[in-house]
Amino acid sequence: GNSVTQMEGPVTLSEEAFLTINCTYTATGYPSLFWYVQYPGEGLQLLLKATKADDKGSNKGFEATYRKETTSFHLEKGSVQVSDSAVYFCALSDLYDMRFGAGTRLTVKP
Amino acid sequence: DAGVIQSPRHEVTEMGQEVTLRCKPISGHDYLFWYRQTMMRGLELLIYFNNNVPIDDSGMPEDRFSAKMPNASFSTLKIQPSEPRDSAVYFCASSLSGGQMNTEAFFGQGTRLTVV
Repeated sequence: GNSVTQMEGPVTLSEEAFLTINCTYTATGYPSLFWYVQYPGEGLQLLLKATKADDKGSNKGFEATYRKETTSFHLEKGSVQVSDSAVYFCALSDLYDMRFGAGTRLTVKP
Repeated sequence: DAGVIQSPRHEVTEMGQEVTLRCKPISGHDYLFWYRQTMMRGLELLIYFNNNVPIDDSGMPEDRFSAKMPNASFSTLKIQPSEPRDSAVYFCASSLSGGQMNTEAFFGQGTRLTVV
């Protein structure tokens, strides 16, 4: 079956540091891949997505590239801000299923 | 559209009581998902519907859990009887497939359930 594995947190960075959160997936078909973000007390919001191999999703300075050869979709940001502190979820969706990773908590300190 | 609406936002109940969580998906969306979030287990898919029909309920933990979608604009998740280990945040989400289930899901703000 489909599954998503993302790096365990928590991750603590200083403002303006470089961020990478690793995500790998297992899927039988050709899924779309997503990163969602959850701020305290809220539901998940879509951050970015990619629907086919080699696509790059980007939003708010975050980027992730759909790598079929390594079954990965790592999230990156060149310079994080305190306001980026949240929980980040990697997810995949295909015709039959939508699965999320366990989530990675990011804390950015001034 | 107001987005996915869940009610109540918070629920505190005693062990053994019946609990009903409610969800109104975004109008026009044909998929509806129920998730449970805990610190220990992360985000778990409980069940999802397509065009009001339950497609996969393999994530429903026990027979104490049941979900219904009587029409396109309303779904319920019921726990009867509730137990302390059911304490979690329950999220409802909906999406518009366009024929393929690979589009983004829109989440409600969740219901925080505490069973004492």
